[in-house]
Amino acid sequence: DQQVKQNSPSLSVQEGRISILNCDYTNSMFDYFLWYKKYPAEGPTFLISISSIKDKNEDGRFTVFLNKSAKHLSLHIVPSQPGDSAVYFCAAITGAGSYQLTFGKGTKLSVIP
Amino acid sequence: DTGVSQDPRHKITKRGQNVTFRCDPISEHNRLYWYRQTLGQGPEFLTYFQNEAQLEKSRLLSDRFSAERPKGSFSTLEIQRTEQGDSAMYLCASSLGVGREPQHFGDGTRLSIL
Repeated sequence: DQQVKQNSPSLSVQEGRISILNCDYTNSMFDYFLWYKKYPAEGPTFLISISSIKDKNEDGRFTVFLNKSAKHLSLHIVPSQPGDSAVYFCAAITGAGSYQLTFGKGTKLSVIP
Repeated sequence: DTGVSQDPRHKITKRGQNVTFRCDPISEHNRLYWYRQTLGQGPEFLTYFQNEAQLEKSRLLSDRFSAERPKGSFSTLEIQRTEQGDSAMYLCASSLGVGREPQHFGDGTRLSIL
């Protein structure tokens, strides 16, 4: 049972344009969400996070939006750069003292120069 | 840059053998986590330590798996009597342990079972 779903396995975007990566979740106990980026042969690198009490968090070119009623979050990258080409994972944590991350399967982003 | 360090990077072994992986977390990070990632999937949680105490274990962590963090610093993950299905990337992560902060991952140990 996939509690965190990234339904697009891949996405191609032109350099300079906006990249939008989507994530849906089913567990209403999730209250903290994170995005990680992963290059081949490296571990995931933390990008940005958002608490369930917020609907938007911004850090430079990266913005995460959370729609709790729809159980949906998205990561916007503006402008997209070739170095952003990687696999992006959405992850979530429940409350109640648990710290385990539940990940989606990832979306491979390709930014075309 | 003293990030999370994992050793070895690659391990090839025959089915039935025991293997042990090591993880050195970021200095002063109190929490340490182990995840497993197979092809086409996101990382899956295995277990988590707060200092030397193992506080959470996933049902994925069968009896053949054991993890330790003896002095609250480095950690080891041992798999006994390896099976084909154990082939995966084993990732270690650490975090400060002061709240809901991000986990920082190492580059993983890739295990291949022949």
